[in-house]
Amino acid sequence: EPEVTQTPSHQVTQMGQEVILRCVPISNHLYFYWYRQILGQKVEFLVSFYNNEISEKSEIFDDQFSVERPDGSNFTLKIRSTKLEDSAMYFCASSEGGALKETQYFGPGTRLLVL
Amino acid sequence: TQLLEQSPQFLSIQEGENLTVYCNSSSVFSSLQWYRQEPGEGPVLLVTVVTGGEVKKLKRLTFQFGDARKDSSLHITAAQPGDTGLYLCAGDNTGGFKTIFGAGTRLFVKA
Repeated sequence: EPEVTQTPSHQVTQMGQEVILRCVPISNHLYFYWYRQILGQKVEFLVSFYNNEISEKSEIFDDQFSVERPDGSNFTLKIRSTKLEDSAMYFCASSEGGALKETQYFGPGTRLLVL
Repeated sequence: TQLLEQSPQFLSIQEGENLTVYCNSSSVFSSLQWYRQEPGEGPVLLVTVVTGGEVKKLKRLTFQFGDARKDSSLHITAAQPGDTGLYLCAGDNTGGFKTIFGAGTRLFVKA
């Protein structure tokens, strides 16, 4: 069964460093999403992406964050200058679109630790 | 502000018991999704409910969408230890692409 994949599974970085989290969505899906989950807290929406542009973003998704679909398969989340509070699990998700756009399939996540 | 409130937050039951968890909002949702999440993993989709009053069954799990599409419930019959996990409801009521999640119900089924 097709699945969303994410790399790396774990990333440790120093505060102020840039990180890029990578995702390969399911191949025929048209909508892509990033979420984060701080340890012990709820899953929080960051951004949605369709047709090579951001569709929606949350208050969390400030100028330090950016997303890109550099080729036909990858979808990346970049954090320009990481802060301690960016430590969290980051989940990528994708959906087919149309009537099924709200049915999202999640990747296994990248655990980011900012020291 | 959209909010999805889940109850109970935590539930510990014996194997074989039945249980219901709830997902409530003051907003109308075009659809709601139920996910299950294991520690350190991503949410896994269980079901999407779309039509008000809709009931969907997945083996021992029964999902219902409220008539007014503001709430949903998940009922598990004869719970098993393998049902242990975090159950999340999620939805988007903006007509856009911004899904919100409830805080989840953590279920523990004792053998």
